[in-house]
Amino acid sequence: AQKVTQAQTEISVVEKEDVTLDCVYETRDTTYYLFWYKQPPSGELVFLIRRNSFDEQNEISGRYSWNFQKSTSSFNFTITASQVVDSAVYFCARLGGYNKLIFGAGTRLAVHP
Amino acid sequence: DAGVTQSPTHLIKTRGQQVTLRCSPKSGHDTVSWYQQALGQGPQFIFQYYEEEERQRGNFPDRFSGHQFPNYSSELNVNALLLGDSALYLCASSLGSQPQHFGDGTRLSIL
Repeated sequence: AQKVTQAQTEISVVEKEDVTLDCVYETRDTTYYLFWYKQPPSGELVFLIRRNSFDEQNEISGRYSWNFQKSTSSFNFTITASQVVDSAVYFCARLGGYNKLIFGAGTRLAVHP
Repeated sequence: DAGVTQSPTHLIKTRGQQVTLRCSPKSGHDTVSWYQQALGQGPQFIFQYYEEEERQRGNFPDRFSGHQFPNYSSELNVNALLLGDSALYLCASSLGSQPQHFGDGTRLSIL
């Protein structure tokens, strides 16, 4: 199966620490899209980023940054200077056929004051 | 601009009953996808509707069915409910290849 693996089930950090969430994916496709979503306690999945497999440049958005490495099939997510509001479950996902999202199991991030 | 809205927020049913969940897509979106998220797991794709037709289906039994209306809203129906159907059901809408936007979900509990 072309799955998405998030090996870290839970991560606990203290506010202002940097934290990296790992994501490894499997695919036989030459062109594909990868995503990160955030799920706060309310349940809604909040879109964070979409990355095309042709674009291997790392991306930074404020305190968030993403490291995409095709050679290792990884798409890791780093939060710099974490804040309590970053506490949530984060999902990495790959786009399957017909715009179907294939999610990893998620990483629960707890940021303590 | 309203996002994806789902109703009801919570629902409690007993085994064997039937349930209907509803979803209104984000304005301008024409495609609706449904996902099931069991506790502690990632969302699993159920099916997707486009132009009132089921376009793709995940690994779910025929007890799960759906519908899309001309205004692009959608319903998810589950018959003969099992305890294992207890989950958060998420609706997502999209337009073309744009990223999917999710609603807050319906939390279904089966007793």
